[in-house]
Amino acid sequence: GAVVSQHPSWVICKSGTSVKIECRSLDFQATTMFWYRQFPKQSLMLMATSNEGSKATYEQGVEKDKFLINHASLTLSTLTVTSAHPEDSSFYICSARDPRQNNNSPLHFGNGTRLTVT
Amino acid sequence: GDSVTQMEGPVTLSEEAFLTINCTYTATGYPSLFWYVQYPGEGLQLLLKATKADDKGSNKGFEATYRKETTSFHLEKGSVQVSDSAVYFCALNQGGKLIFGQGTELSVKP
Repeated sequence: GAVVSQHPSWVICKSGTSVKIECRSLDFQATTMFWYRQFPKQSLMLMATSNEGSKATYEQGVEKDKFLINHASLTLSTLTVTSAHPEDSSFYICSARDPRQNNNSPLHFGNGTRLTVT
Repeated sequence: GDSVTQMEGPVTLSEEAFLTINCTYTATGYPSLFWYVQYPGEGLQLLLKATKADDKGSNKGFEATYRKETTSFHLEKGSVQVSDSAVYFCALNQGGKLIFGQGTELSVKP
């Protein structure tokens, strides 16, 4: 079964509003989670690394004030798209690694969230 | 920096055909390599992995061998099924983060 749960699976919002996406690790406590963004028919681009109890680490070119990440507990990370605009429409996917495995082990992915901004 | 390059899709095959999806990488050292599969509207599922040179990862009839000399990790399957239709991503581990190739869409026709 799924070890990483993402919610909602899809959301439609109006331009200028904010949207929160949740990512939960179900079978383990994740001190680190990764947020990816995927454009249609394109690859996954790492947006940021979410760190429990501290600030997220953003990849170059990702606006941290636009994409707010909160990792308040060992099983939950949230991504909030603030003041969303149509160009933010995309597929957002979170992932986490079981800390009981080493750093070379695979990431477990959520099922993604399809965001459409009208 | 590290990167992954996959053959462009879409790849269209008939059922029971042989599949190869090429993947090459550029990296310092010898990272772990992965193939993930994404079905329409879903997240990614791990298909197989290899952690060191000459390792062969296999799962559900798919195989890939970690080739250090050619920096490749090509995905193969001897006989594809319609249910294999999906997007396949090659990825390498860079310090705990995954770097993905651009993905290759596979369409298998009955």
